Parts: sequence; C-alpha cells; structure tokens
Amino acid sequence: GNSVTQMEGPVTLSEEAFLTINCTYTATGYPSLFWYVQYPGEGLQLLLKATKADDKGSNKGFEATYRKETTSFHLEKGSVQVSDSAVYFCALSESYQKVTFGTGTKLQVIP
Amino acid sequence: ETGVTQTPRHLVMGMTNKKSLKCEQHLGHNAMYWYKQSAKKPLELMFVYSLEERVENNSVPSRFSPECPNSSHLFLHLHTLQPEDSALYLCASSPLAYSYNEQFFGPGTRLTVL
Repeated sequence: GNSVTQMEGPVTLSEEAFLTINCTYTATGYPSLFWYVQYPGEGLQLLLKATKADDKGSNKGFEATYRKETTSFHLEKGSVQVSDSAVYFCALSESYQKVTFGTGTKLQVIP
Repeated sequence: ETGVTQTPRHLVMGMTNKKSLKCEQHLGHNAMYWYKQSAKKPLELMFVYSLEERVENNSVPSRFSPECPNSSHLFLHLHTLQPEDSALYLCASSPLAYSYNEQFFGPGTRLTVL
C-alpha cells in the first residue's frame, strides 16, 4: 500500500533560517504529491502540490520538487518567519486510492 | 477561507449525550470526508462519501454515525462517546473521491468528552 514518511519534529529554527522538511513516499503508481499546512486552531490548508515527476510546486516562498528517482518531495524555504510556525503534512493521492498523509512535522520559528 | 465550514467549532459533551457535527462545502465537490485528529497520532480517515454514497468506513465504532443528505452537507452524529474520542474532527471535500485532487479542509470541531 501507499505510505508517506516525514521527518520527526518538532523543528525549531531562528527567524530567517533555511528550512528543509524531508518527505519520502511509497506508491504503487504515479501519485500527485502535496504539502498541507495547519496553523494553530485551524484545519489543514493546501500549501503546494506537484502532479508529475520533476514538477516544482511553490507558494509563499515554500518550494518542493517531485523527485521520482528518490521518491521524495522535500519542503524548503530560504528564510522562515515567525508566522510560518505551524504543522506541515506531506501527502499523496492516486487514482482509485485514498489520500495518504504523513504524520506531520511541527515547525516553531523563534524571533 | 477554504469553502468548507464546520459547526460547532468547539463542543463539550458528557458520555451520555447525543450531539451532531455539521459540515458544509460551497465548492461544488462530489466527495466529502470525516477525519479524526488526535494529539501525537496520524490523521485518521473515518468516512468517505462520494455522490452522497458512503464508500469507505474505516472500522469506526458505531457510536459515530455519518449522514450525507446531499453533496454539500455532511453530518457526524455522536452518541455515548468515550473520553478517548476527544479530538479535533475535520471535514474535507474534493471534486472526486479516490482521485489525484487535493482536499479542502474545514477548520474542525474541537470535541471534548467528559
């Protein structure tokens, strides 16, 4: 079956630091890949997505590249802000399969 | 604002109470979902509805009873819950079930069972 593995958190960074949150996946076919973000007290929101190999999703300064050869979709941001503090979920979806979420990585950015 | 609303946002209930959670989506989607999010546990898919038909029920206890009267509304009826059912309950929708599309989530209902 499909699976998504994220790095354990929490991740604590100083403002303006570089962020990487690792995500690797296992899928039977050719899934779409997503990063969702959950701010405190809210539901999940789509942050970015990529639908095929070598696609790069980007939004709000965050980027992730769909790497089929390494089955990875790592989330990166060059300079984090306090407002980026949230829980980040990697996920995949595939035709005829339910969406598979990672366990989430909590990011805390300190001033 | 994701186009998915949930009410109430917070709910406290005793173990003998009966209550319902409501979800409404304004996106014209055909699939709706209930998830349970507990502290330090992965997101748990509870139910999936596609075109108002339940297509997945992930071994959820019968004290949780879903209802989907039309493609825009989804309910979760609760009765005789246990304290371990305290969690954030998230509703989501997508254009189709079991497809490549992303899901759109509501803000959740924070449920506390005393």
